[in-house]
Amino acid sequence: SAVISQKPSRDICQRGTSLTIQCQVDSQVTMMFWYRQQPGQSLTLIATANQGSEATYESGFVIDKFPISRPNLTFSTLTVSNMSPEDSSIYLCSVEDSGGAADTQYFGPGTRLTVL
Amino acid sequence: KQEVTQIPAALSVPEGENLVLNCSFTDSAIYNLQWFRQDPGKGLTSLLLIQSSQREQTSGRLNASLDKSSGRSTLYIAASQPGDSATYLCAVRGERGSQGNLIFGKGTKLSVKP
Repeated sequence: SAVISQKPSRDICQRGTSLTIQCQVDSQVTMMFWYRQQPGQSLTLIATANQGSEATYESGFVIDKFPISRPNLTFSTLTVSNMSPEDSSIYLCSVEDSGGAADTQYFGPGTRLTVL
Repeated sequence: KQEVTQIPAALSVPEGENLVLNCSFTDSAIYNLQWFRQDPGKGLTSLLLIQSSQREQTSGRLNASLDKSSGRSTLYIAASQPGDSATYLCAVRGERGSQGNLIFGKGTKLSVKP
């Protein structure tokens, strides 16, 4: 299984500012995923990040609002830009196990973001 | 469009009880189904994964079943303990095996009272 860490674990931000969330994995993975969990809602996939290429965004999410970097096979960042209170959510990084337990997906501890 | 529903939204039981959490999905053409538990500040922990060709999976006190044709899965927890208190999430992946794009339910918040 993969061990995933995220920074920061939580933050309180002002409207109009940006926050960059970091995700570190203890092994090399091809694809990393970013999810959002709004209060009382399901987790929703924001985008898929492959190393060396542009991230692929799901419907309703755009690169200008959620720019993603993927500089190597163990690290990715998600930036939440020009934040509004509607961006208050838990943001989770995820990877897929391409080894033993095929197709099992693992998640980081999440970043709890509150926008005032 | 795939939709995943979990019932009940919350459940409180005394320690030692056996319990069942329910998950239903609208499109039976799934690749697999995964159950997670979510603890505050600790993200999601994968509990069990059932491939579309399987009927059930077991791990310790947990047993997950899948009835793909009827769009249902259950998570059975035997002899519940206070440490089982968490939110349990069900997620399905579409038949094309679209990596990463799990469709989640809203979860069942379980509280096991000592």
